[in-house]
Amino acid sequence: SQQGEEDPQALSIQEGENATMNCSYKTSINNLQWYRQNSGRGLVHLILIRSNEREKHSGRLRVTLDTSKKSSSLLITASRAADTASYFCATEETSGSRLTFGEGTQLTVNP
Amino acid sequence: GAGVSQTPSNKVTEKGKYVELRCDPISGHTALYWYRQSLGQGPEFLIYFQGTGAADDSGLPNDRFFAVRPEGSVSTLKIQRTERGDSAVYLCASSLTGRGRSPLHFGNGTRLTVT
Repeated sequence: SQQGEEDPQALSIQEGENATMNCSYKTSINNLQWYRQNSGRGLVHLILIRSNEREKHSGRLRVTLDTSKKSSSLLITASRAADTASYFCATEETSGSRLTFGEGTQLTVNP
Repeated sequence: GAGVSQTPSNKVTEKGKYVELRCDPISGHTALYWYRQSLGQGPEFLIYFQGTGAADDSGLPNDRFFAVRPEGSVSTLKIQRTERGDSAVYLCASSLTGRGRSPLHFGNGTRLTVT
């Protein structure tokens, strides 16, 4: 079963604009991670935020985590055509060792 | 190799046949994961190995699915009596320590088609 739900399912923006993707989950977690997947490829890890952290930055990426609302957001600033991909959030639940992925957001950045 | 390697990249088999999918993790990574991904969906957890043992196999859909990692490195996912519903991309990932302490590194997957 999928733990996370991403919103929106699809997002289309122009190059240079910011892209925001949201993720909601249901159980208590140790950490939440964001991954990116280009078509026909495996997933690539972007960023990990622990349950006791509220915000994290990495280059053009900004991730927030609100454990009271069980939600996270991924912001990509100054988007580029090369950012076009599917983005997935994944949670490690406190009860186990598996990493559970959401359904993903398909981001299209138009040049 | 530098990354996780999965072979074959594509596998077409007939309903009822047996298939084996292979994963070569990054050297030194103790944790290994198998996921299954259908078109337009997120990866679905199947099984997680810590070393040679299956630490969590609760995602295997039924007893037709089995995975091994006999020497704590290469893993093989085995599917018996394949069904058309087994068609998907099977992804393998490894991490240095497991349990979220280190990120997952994914292979490019094996696309399984059951006809």
